Amino acid sequence: GQQLNQSPQSMFIQEGEDVSMNCTSSSIFNTWLWYKQEPGEGPVLLIALYKAGELTSNGRLTAQFGITRKDSFLNISASIPSDVGIYFCAGPIMDSNYQLIWGAGTKLIIKP
Amino acid sequence: DGGITQSPKYLFRKEGQNVTLSCEQNLNHDAMYWYRQDPGQGLRLIYYSQIVNDFQKGDIAEGYSVSREKKESFPLTVTSAQKNPTAFYLCASSMLTSAFHEQFFGPGTRLTVL
Repeated sequence: GQQLNQSPQSMFIQEGEDVSMNCTSSSIFNTWLWYKQEPGEGPVLLIALYKAGELTSNGRLTAQFGITRKDSFLNISASIPSDVGIYFCAGPIMDSNYQLIWGAGTKLIIKP
Repeated sequence: DGGITQSPKYLFRKEGQNVTLSCEQNLNHDAMYWYRQDPGQGLRLIYYSQIVNDFQKGDIAEGYSVSREKKESFPLTVTSAQKNPTAFYLCASSMLTSAFHEQFFGPGTRLTVL
């Protein structure tokens, strides 16, 4: 079945560094969604991608829809302490307009 | 101010008791979802509903039940049949359209069964 593989599983970075994470699948996706979850809260949608090759920014965040439609990347520039959290990618399950399949998440930790 | 509310934020129950988690949305979304999240893991779908009075099982529906009597409300009951109910429960909603797949989440309910 469809699966989304996120990497890395976790990242320890210094404040001010740029961050890059990705999401890959053996299946084709028509949509890629990137969410951020802070401890004890629900995920918040950061960026939605609907077109292969699309590059979309939201402040310091930039996400790209891979040209093969089997991957997506999320970059965070000049990280700050409030970027801490878990970042999830998600995409619609084949033949379902309403169900999403989720990656396991990338946990971002900023070194003091 | 539109959004999704879940209550309570924290819930403690004794083993063997049924417990109902509340989820309400005022986004006028047709579809609603319940997910379970365990520490360090992603989201697993329990149940979803596309319209009132209709719902479908997700990947881990055993031991759970839902109802959808109103468009705005989608309560989840964790029954005594659920073997390991302690978890973080998230409710979400979305538009019912093939064009957009974004789901919007509530703040979650952390259930602890003692």
